[in-house]
Amino acid sequence: QITLKESGPTLVKPTQTLTLTCTFSGFSLSISGVGVGWIRQPPGKALEWLALIYWDDDKRYSPSLKSRLTVTKDTSKDQVVLTMTNMDPVDTGTYYCVHRVRDGYITYWGQGTRVTISS
Amino acid sequence: DIVMTQSPDSLAVSLGARATINCKSSQSVLYSSNNKNYLAWYQQKPGQPPKLLIYWASTRESGVPDRFSGSGSGTDFTLTISSLQAEDVAVYYCQQYYTPFTFGQGTKLEIK
Repeated sequence: QITLKESGPTLVKPTQTLTLTCTFSGFSLSISGVGVGWIRQPPGKALEWLALIYWDDDKRYSPSLKSRLTVTKDTSKDQVVLTMTNMDPVDTGTYYCVHRVRDGYITYWGQGTRVTISS
Repeated sequence: DIVMTQSPDSLAVSLGARATINCKSSQSVLYSSNNKNYLAWYQQKPGQPPKLLIYWASTRESGVPDRFSGSGSGTDFTLTISSLQAEDVAVYYCQQYYTPFTFGQGTKLEIK
């Protein structure tokens, strides 16, 4: 059974860096084709894809946010970490991590973690 | 980037009636290498992550009621709920998953 869980701070000040961790089980990020991604959702708004990392360390980023994002993996801990710099109140929302097989749709989502950007 | 545009933004349908949501992509998501449309539909209820309903534009995910169906190809797609039930009240999103992901803006479905 595949599960994913996001963790990190609930409150971040503007200009600070956000670090979120996705801890997963039921699959290995060392298996060919497997990836973990991040998607966010501002309150009452649509879903926005942020980043993806694959088993071979191939990384993909949203073009509009690429300069602010870094995604890394720790296969031994079954974790993926997303960092996002220079946070702004418009970055407030729920951040989800997801499981993906290369070129496939998303079947598994974490429950999401809510992040508020405020001074 | 592929832009996904849904219509309408909101929809009120009577219980037992048909609900139709449209999704248009700014470029084709049908890839000739495998003749598949990289288009999925998700349902999201308040406080929950999205739930996969349809993938490859028309394949129903396991466990999804057969009143949900997807159709279309290339740039134009439709999600149809054949007989609306109370538990179908939610926001519905289309998504292309080739480049790698973009989502539509969502359609809020309510009971009339």
